[in-house]
Amino acid sequence: DAKTTQPNSMESNEEEPVHLPCNHSTISGTDYIHWYRQLPSQGPEYVIHGLTSNVNNRMASLAIAEDRKSSTLILHRATLRDAAVYYCILRDGGGTSYGKLTFGQGTILTVHP
Amino acid sequence: NAGVTQTPKFRVLKTGQSMTLLCAQDMNHEYMYWYRQDPGMGLRLIHYSVGEGTTAKGEVPDGYNVSRLKKQNFLLGLESAAPSQTSVYFCASSYPGAVLGAFFGQGTRLTVV
Repeated sequence: DAKTTQPNSMESNEEEPVHLPCNHSTISGTDYIHWYRQLPSQGPEYVIHGLTSNVNNRMASLAIAEDRKSSTLILHRATLRDAAVYYCILRDGGGTSYGKLTFGQGTILTVHP
Repeated sequence: NAGVTQTPKFRVLKTGQSMTLLCAQDMNHEYMYWYRQDPGMGLRLIHYSVGEGTTAKGEVPDGYNVSRLKKQNFLLGLESAAPSQTSVYFCASSYPGAVLGAFFGQGTRLTVV
């Protein structure tokens, strides 16, 4: 499985934007870039995903580098409720991986009031 | 819409006892997964299923068995619990492919003493 590299931790202040980076230099053509987050004592929650183009939804934006070897999850105005572990995962859109998600350590985001 | 529901939420077992964790999803998803998460670590895949009547091994399958007799249910069994199986267990489901996200349950916290 193609791997991703994320910083262990990041900090932000409330109501400021947060840019969470992810490197995936071995990404293949059929890999989608997925982001999930896990709040304390909860299951992972889908945030956003993309293939080649930048994506926006109500939770966040995803900026994908032109060569697809890196991406950035953008939280436009962090709130205390955004404090969580954020996972960047490559999910193979091909037929043989069956959508399995391989979790790394993720980035622990701390949001200060 | 309940999404993914796990039963029970908490359980304490004695070494050697058996138990079954139930995962139910109401989104008509083909794919279902069982993960475990140990303290301070990311999730690891135990077993998965790509359709009713099918199951396959994931990254850490030893000591566990699974069954998918109905599309909406995915059962995880521990035949003889060991302290090393103390963990938080998460179930997830998704449509085939990677163009949509996966949905996770709230977890089952299992302690084996």
